[in-house]
Amino acid sequence: GQNIDQPTEMTATEGAIVQINCTYQTSGFNGLFWYQQHAGEAPTFLSYNVLDGLEEKGRFSSFLSRSKGYSYLLLKELQMKDSASYLCAVMDSNYQLIWGAGTKLIIKP
Amino acid sequence: TAGITQAPTSQILAAGRSMTLRCTQDMRHNAMYWYRQDLGLGLRLIHYSNTAGTTGKGEVPDGYSVSRANTDDFPLTLASAVPSQTSVYFCASSEEGTDTQYFGPGTRLTVL
Repeated sequence: GQNIDQPTEMTATEGAIVQINCTYQTSGFNGLFWYQQHAGEAPTFLSYNVLDGLEEKGRFSSFLSRSKGYSYLLLKELQMKDSASYLCAVMDSNYQLIWGAGTKLIIKP
Repeated sequence: TAGITQAPTSQILAAGRSMTLRCTQDMRHNAMYWYRQDLGLGLRLIHYSNTAGTTGKGEVPDGYSVSRANTDDFPLTLASAVPSQTSVYFCASSEEGTDTQYFGPGTRLTVL
């Protein structure tokens, strides 16, 4: 079966750096997405990786290793507003997104 | 632009009743999707539509139906609601070329 694994919850301190990992086993691979979801709101797009390596976008970076079935989202200079759930999703061979359950990130002052 | 809108925002529904959740987008995206989100689970695809006039089944289609009469609208119908359909429902559309999906604000449905 298809599976996306990510930690349920993480805690970090304001101003610090946090890395959220995602491992996947899917039937085919057509890209990996990271979304941010604040409580009670809709998911919003953060990043997309289809080739191995690091994609940087401001304070957020996303890394992909297709051979290892592994990605991480790196958040730098954490702000209180970064408290949210971070969803990892993989596009499979049918071009459908398979979603992880999300990682709830708690930022402490 | 409004992006994607959903209605209603929330609803309490008696079991056995029918209901249609509305979804409208103004981005002229061809592909649209309906997901449900339950605590502790990832988003699960209910139905999708790659273009107006076509629909397909996702991971959890039972008990739901959709139609796609035009590009903008993609309603989801529950013919006879059951308590297990209590969930938050998100509609999304995707951008050609990147397949990035953009989500509506969601409908919180409680079936009693």
